[in-house]
Amino acid sequence: DGGITQSPKYLFRKEGQNVTLSCEQNLNHDAMYWYRQDPGQGLRLIYYSQIVNDFQKGDIAEGYSVSREKKESFPLTVTSAQKNPTAFYLCASMGSRHQPQHFGDGTRLSIL
Amino acid sequence: AQTVTQSQPEMSVQEAETVTLSCTYDTSESDYYLFWYKQPPSRQMILVIRQEAYKQQNATENRFSVNFQKAAKSFSLKISDSQLGDAAMYFCAYRSARGGGGADGLTFGKGTHLIIQP
Repeated sequence: DGGITQSPKYLFRKEGQNVTLSCEQNLNHDAMYWYRQDPGQGLRLIYYSQIVNDFQKGDIAEGYSVSREKKESFPLTVTSAQKNPTAFYLCASMGSRHQPQHFGDGTRLSIL
Repeated sequence: AQTVTQSQPEMSVQEAETVTLSCTYDTSESDYYLFWYKQPPSRQMILVIRQEAYKQQNATENRFSVNFQKAAKSFSLKISDSQLGDAAMYFCAYRSARGGGGADGLTFGKGTHLIIQP
């Protein structure tokens, strides 16, 4: 079945450590997105990529980095510069612009 | 920038009854998409219904329907014959239709927690 796989489901970060969240899709979608969800909040856009080897900052990109070396993969790195990384992170992809975004199951990141 | 407002942090409804969730948005664009997503305790984001702004007809998906008022910038979700499985957070979201740049990203409201009373 086609879909979006995020791993791990739960992740813990120590102070000063970078961590990477994985997002893989087999839907053959060009566009991929990373969102952050805080308690009592909607999702906010961190980064997006419309094509391989190209990505752009969203609304809250500070302290995060991404890469898009393959169409299927869009990993997100939470760097030590992100001072409040505890949140739920959702990856999404989209085929044509007339279609809705499809979401993965998310990764919950916590601080040790 | 576009904004999406959901003014009801929590709603409660009796099983089998009808409930309406409110959403308003602010945009200067004329062409866009609106969505309702459901997020159950599993935290999955599940698309419930979508509406293209250029379509005057309100979208319907089984027990779910919307009341889209473009001039008022209002996009409410009606759930008929509420079921226990409808209990979840519901998010209203906006996406520009103009394409390019960050326009494809979704702008979300803060959500409405829907409780179904048996």
